Amino acid sequence: KAGVTQTPRYLIKTRGQQVTLSCSPISGHRSVSWYQQTPGQGLQFLFEYFSETQRNKGNFPGRFSGRQFSNSRSEMNVSTLELGDSALYLCASSPNPDPTDTQYFGPGTRLTVL
Amino acid sequence: AQSVTQLGSHVSVSEGALVLLRCNYSSSVPPYLFWYVQYPNQGLQLLLKYTTGATLVKGINGFEAEFKKSETSFHLTKPSAHMSDAAEYFCAVSVGSSASKIIFGSGTRLSIRP
Repeated sequence: KAGVTQTPRYLIKTRGQQVTLSCSPISGHRSVSWYQQTPGQGLQFLFEYFSETQRNKGNFPGRFSGRQFSNSRSEMNVSTLELGDSALYLCASSPNPDPTDTQYFGPGTRLTVL
Repeated sequence: AQSVTQLGSHVSVSEGALVLLRCNYSSSVPPYLFWYVQYPNQGLQLLLKYTTGATLVKGINGFEAEFKKSETSFHLTKPSAHMSDAAEYFCAVSVGSSASKIIFGSGTRLSIRP
C-alpha cells in the first residue's frame, strides 16, 4: 500500500506570494492532518480534516487554510507569505480521527520564503 | 494544560550501548503517549504508542517504552544502539478526542558513536 504523498517536496517563494501544498493520504484513510515543523517552534498542529470537514484547527492566523476533497486528498494554502512561514509542512493520515489510531506521516514539503 | 518535556536535546551513545531517551508529560486525564522517529529529510514514523493496558510497550526496531503514571514518564529505551538509530526522536501526548490533537515534545537528537 502506498504511503502518504506530498507535493511538491520543495518550494521557494517570496514574501507576499501565496502557496498551495497537496497531500494524498493512504488509500482508505479518511482523516488528514497538517503540521508545521520549524527549528524554533518545533512541531505544531495546523488543522485536521475528516470527510471533507475541518474538525480541528490549531493556533495559526487566517492566512493558513485548507480543504479536503471527496477522495480524501487535502490541500493547504498559505496566503501573503511571511519569512516566518519557512518550515517543513507535514501531512499525516489515519483511518479515522480516533486518538488511538496511528497517524502516518508523509515526507513533507519544505517551504522557503525569501 | 497538557505538555510534554523531553530531557536532553542531544544524546550521544556508543554503538552497542543502551539508549535511554527521557520523556515526561503533564495531563489532567489518562493520556495516550507516542514516540516518533524522524530521519533526515523524512516525515515522522511511529515507533510505539501507549493507549491502555500493558504499561510496557514494545515497538519497532527493538525500542520499547514504559508508561509510569506515578512518575508521569514514558522513557524510550533500546538495549543496544545501532548506527542506523541515529535520528531525531519525538515524544508526544494526545490531548483530545482526535488523533491530530497531539502535542509533541521538542525532540531529542540521537547520535551513535562508532
